[in-house]
Amino acid sequence: GENVEQHPSTLSVQEGDSAVIKCTYSDSASNYFPWYKQELGKRPQLIIDIRSNVGEKKDQRIAVTLNKTAKHFSLHITETQPEDSAVYFCAVSRGDMRFGAGTRLTVKP
Amino acid sequence: NAGVTQTPKFQVLKTGQSMTLQCAQDMNHEYMSWYRQDPGMGLRLIHYSVGAGITDQGEVPNGYNVSRSTTEDFPLRLLSAAPSQTSVYFCASSATGTNQPQHFGDGTRLSIL
Repeated sequence: GENVEQHPSTLSVQEGDSAVIKCTYSDSASNYFPWYKQELGKRPQLIIDIRSNVGEKKDQRIAVTLNKTAKHFSLHITETQPEDSAVYFCAVSRGDMRFGAGTRLTVKP
Repeated sequence: NAGVTQTPKFQVLKTGQSMTLQCAQDMNHEYMSWYRQDPGMGLRLIHYSVGAGITDQGEVPNGYNVSRSTTEDFPLRLLSAAPSQTSVYFCASSATGTNQPQHFGDGTRLSIL
């Protein structure tokens, strides 16, 4: 089955700095790569996604890049704010969706 | 629209008991799935369904059964609860196709004593 690895497991940044989270996957047939944000005690919520025919996508302070050859994709958050503090999950889909183990991001004011 | 609705929100069971976690969606989504979330392990896929009458196993299916008799409902059954099944369970749904975002319910926090 698909193997999704996510790094780092924890990330602490100062407010205003950038944060980068990286995921690698194993199945070259995977074609959809979403990122979810989960606040404590809440459901995961989609923040951005990218499909296999696109290399980069941006939405305000959030961007995702995909390298299909190397089988990795990354989440970039610029100008971080304390409300960005949460657990972020990458996911990979080729019919069924598999998730990475998560990154706990802390943004210090 | 309610989206994805899970019941109950909390449940405590004794080892060996059985129960059904309910999941319903009102978005006419074909794809539904169940995940369990344990600390440090992310979301692990238990079972999923691509449409009524069709189910398949995910990463961690043992000890769980599912059925999909209607598009709206996708219940998860624990046959004989074990302490290792203590977890938070999330149901999710998405529109037809392999590259659609999943919409999650609020989760069911299950403790097995």
